[in-house]
Amino acid sequence: SQELEQSPQSLIVQEGKNLTINCTSSKTLYGLYWYKQKYGEGLIFLMMLQKGGEEKSHEKITAKLDEKKQQSSLHITASQPSHAGIYLCGAPETSGSRLTFGEGTQLTVNP
Amino acid sequence: DTEVTQTPKHLVMGMTNKKSLKCEQHMGHRAMYWYKQKAKKPPELMFVYSYEKLSINESVPSRFSPECPNSSLLNLHLHALQPEDSALYLCASSQDFGVLREQYFGPGTRLTVT
Repeated sequence: SQELEQSPQSLIVQEGKNLTINCTSSKTLYGLYWYKQKYGEGLIFLMMLQKGGEEKSHEKITAKLDEKKQQSSLHITASQPSHAGIYLCGAPETSGSRLTFGEGTQLTVNP
Repeated sequence: DTEVTQTPKHLVMGMTNKKSLKCEQHMGHRAMYWYKQKAKKPPELMFVYSYEKLSINESVPSRFSPECPNSSLLNLHLHALQPEDSALYLCASSQDFGVLREQYFGPGTRLTVT
């Protein structure tokens, strides 16, 4: 089954700092999703990556999928308290099948 | 608009009660999903409906009964639940199933079984 390892498990940064969250798979990824979740709330869709080497950006968040399609990174530039939450990566076991998720990265941004 | 709505937001029920969770989307999506999320854990898939037919049941106990009355609506009927079923229940939808698509989640229903 698809297993995704996220690192770090938690991250505390000062407002304005840049940060990176990683998501690694032992198998080739058919695609990779990034979500943000506030505790006890729903998942907010951030980005979906499909092709090796693909990079997408939305506001101050950039996600990349490596050429081998086994690792993705999520980079936040000039972090703000509004970026705080749990970041989850998710991947289908085959193209377009059920999603399994990593354990998540808890991000705290101190003002 | 990428909104998936869920009602109720919170639900407390006894082990002998029957209740239902409701999920709705108006994006024209033909795939809808139920996930269960325990505290500090990632969501786990329970059911997938594709074109109003059940495509995946992840060996979920029969006390959880999904229903898809039409392409916009997804229900989860609950009966004789156990305290360990207390969790956040998330609904999601995507344009279709079997192809890589954006999957959008609702805000969830926080269920407590007493």
